Amino acid sequence: GDSVTQMEGPVTLSEEAFLTINCTYTATGYPSLFWYVQYPGEGLQLLLKATKADDKGSNKGFEATYRKETTSFHLEKGSVQVSDSAVYFCALSDNQGGKLIFGQGTELSVKP
Amino acid sequence: EAGVAQSPRYKIIEKRQSVAFWCNPISGHATLYWYQQILGQGPKLLIQFQNNGVVDDSQLPKDRFSAERLKGVDSTLKIQPAKLEDSAVYLCASSAGSWGRANEKLFFGSGTQLSVL
Repeated sequence: GDSVTQMEGPVTLSEEAFLTINCTYTATGYPSLFWYVQYPGEGLQLLLKATKADDKGSNKGFEATYRKETTSFHLEKGSVQVSDSAVYFCALSDNQGGKLIFGQGTELSVKP
Repeated sequence: EAGVAQSPRYKIIEKRQSVAFWCNPISGHATLYWYQQILGQGPKLLIQFQNNGVVDDSQLPKDRFSAERLKGVDSTLKIQPAKLEDSAVYLCASSAGSWGRANEKLFFGSGTQLSVL
């Protein structure tokens, strides 16, 4: 079945460092891809999405490009802030009802 | 705009007891989801409703879990009897899209953290 694999955390960075969180997927057909973020004490919220190959999703300085050839959707940010500390989830939608299939999450901790 | 409301926020029970969780989605959202998030894992879909009908319950342990969405608005998820491995956060989410809309944004509640002792 469809699945998502993320790099393991926790990831600890200094403020203004470059961030990459790797995400790869396995799916039949052409899924939509998402990054959701969970800040401490809050619910999951959509960070960005891409619905077809070569699309780039972006929001709040974060970017991810839908790479069909490598089945990847890596999350990047050029300069992280302490406020970016959260758990990041990569997910796909299987085009059969809109349900999301999530990766295991990657915890990011940004130190001042 | 009010978000997805869930209650209770926390629940502690002993194994073999029963428990129920409540969810009120965003007004007008046709699709409602219940997810289970075990510590250190990503959320896993338990059941998906379209209005008051079930469209996907393939991963719901039906011998102990049940869910309903009467009148197509709020929903309850029940576990009876609970097992130790049911300890998790139970997330409710809703979306405005109809069944088959793969790129529709989901809005999540804060979840109910269940501890089974």
